[in-house]
Amino acid sequence: QKEVEQNSGPLSVPEGAIASLNCTYSDRGSQSFFWYRQYSGKSPELIMFIYSNGDKEDGRFTAQLNKASQYVSLLIRDSQPSDSATYLCAVTRGGFKTIFGAGTRLFVKA
Amino acid sequence: DTGVSQNPRHKITKRGQNVTFRCDPISEHNRLYWYRQTLGQGPEFLTYFQNEAQLEKSRLLSDRFSAERPKGSFSTLEIQRTEQGDSAMYLCASSLVGEYDEQYFGPGTRLTVT
Repeated sequence: QKEVEQNSGPLSVPEGAIASLNCTYSDRGSQSFFWYRQYSGKSPELIMFIYSNGDKEDGRFTAQLNKASQYVSLLIRDSQPSDSATYLCAVTRGGFKTIFGAGTRLFVKA
Repeated sequence: DTGVSQNPRHKITKRGQNVTFRCDPISEHNRLYWYRQTLGQGPEFLTYFQNEAQLEKSRLLSDRFSAERPKGSFSTLEIQRTEQGDSAMYLCASSLVGEYDEQYFGPGTRLTVT
C-alpha cells in the first residue's frame, strides 16, 4: 500500500463545473495535509493546507479532511481551463518528512 | 519576498561526473528540503535541514548523494559519479518552523545524465 494514494486521472470536467480530487493516506499519525498544483514543466505551488477535520475554504478551493477515514479531498468550484494541471496531495507528520502522492491530472475543457 | 531560488536551472552531464546544485531558501525560513521528481511521479523526499542540522535523510539516498547547509542559509546537493538513473528534476523547498510545515518550492534543477 502506498503511503499517499491518488487517482492518476486524467479527470476531465467542463468549464464552470466542480472538480473533485481525492487522496487517501496510510499513516494515522499524520498531522498536516497539503494540496499543491503543478503545471507541466514547473515546480509545485502550494494552494491549500488543512490540519483539522472538516472543510476549509479559500476562494474557489475547498479542502476537506476526514482523519477517521484517512481521507482528504480538494474541490475546485467554477473550474477554469487555467486550472488544468496536476494536483499533488502531500501529508506530513510534523517535523518529519513529507510524503507526496503521484498526483491527479485535471483537464478543464473550455 | 524573493522566493526560493535554485541554480543551475538545467544541467547536462556525462555519466560518472560529479554535479552540485545550490538552493537559496526564503530568507526567514529555517527549514530546507530536497526532493527528486521523475516524470509522472510526485516529489520524492531526499533530505531536510533545520538551520544547519541535517535532521533526516531518506534511506533511498545512496552514498553518492550528499547535502550541506553550512551556515543555515543556502544549501548544496552533490551527486558523485552520476548515473543515468539520476536524471530527474531536483527540487528544493523551504518552510518556517512552527506547528505546521507549509513548504514553498523553488523552480527546480533539471539534471540530464548522458
